[in-house]
Amino acid sequence: SAVISQKPSRDICQRGTSLTIQCQVDSQVTMMFWYRQQPGQSLTLIATANQGSEATYESGFVIDKFPISRPNLTFSTLTVSNMSPEDSSIYLCSVEDAGGASGYTFGSGTRLTVV
Amino acid sequence: DAKTTQPTSMDCAEGRAANLPCNHSTISGNEYVYWYRQIHSQGPQYIIHGLKNNETNEMASLIITEDRKSSTLILPHATLRDTAVYYCIVRPTGFQKLVFGTGTRLLVSP
Repeated sequence: SAVISQKPSRDICQRGTSLTIQCQVDSQVTMMFWYRQQPGQSLTLIATANQGSEATYESGFVIDKFPISRPNLTFSTLTVSNMSPEDSSIYLCSVEDAGGASGYTFGSGTRLTVV
Repeated sequence: DAKTTQPTSMDCAEGRAANLPCNHSTISGNEYVYWYRQIHSQGPQYIIHGLKNNETNEMASLIITEDRKSSTLILPHATLRDTAVYYCIVRPTGFQKLVFGTGTRLLVSP
């Protein structure tokens, strides 16, 4: 399975600031996915990131709030912009394993607290 | 995306089999059933997946009914470390995003 390194693992940020989360994969992957998990809730897909094109955002998520970069096939970043306490969540990246049918691998997540 | 229905929570005694049901009555012929689990404060972990045949691996067994409208994940000998939230997800072939439902919180007790 692919191995994902996600940074930072946690952070406490002031409201109004921005945080960029990095996701590094040990193999080339076509698609990377970004999820949000609010306290006590399930995972919600934010967007799908393809290399060389703009990310595709799910309903309720916009590029101005969650800009995503995908400069190459092994790396992606998610920025949480102009943060408010409601953005306090765990953010996770995910990739589809080589071959597709074997499943998806998830990063260990970034626990964000906005104060 | 096809919807799934799972019980909110289940309990299981350590050493016993844990049988986690999932209802996916609107599943289409090209949709796989995936199971993931999330142990507290960790990212989701892949368990198993199947299309229509029953599947078994080192972690679990997946039993899919003949009409494919429901499935059961079986952990044959549950341990305390199996305490987690278990997610049943259906995903079409060639359509690559995973959409998570609310999952089942499994508590394995001594």
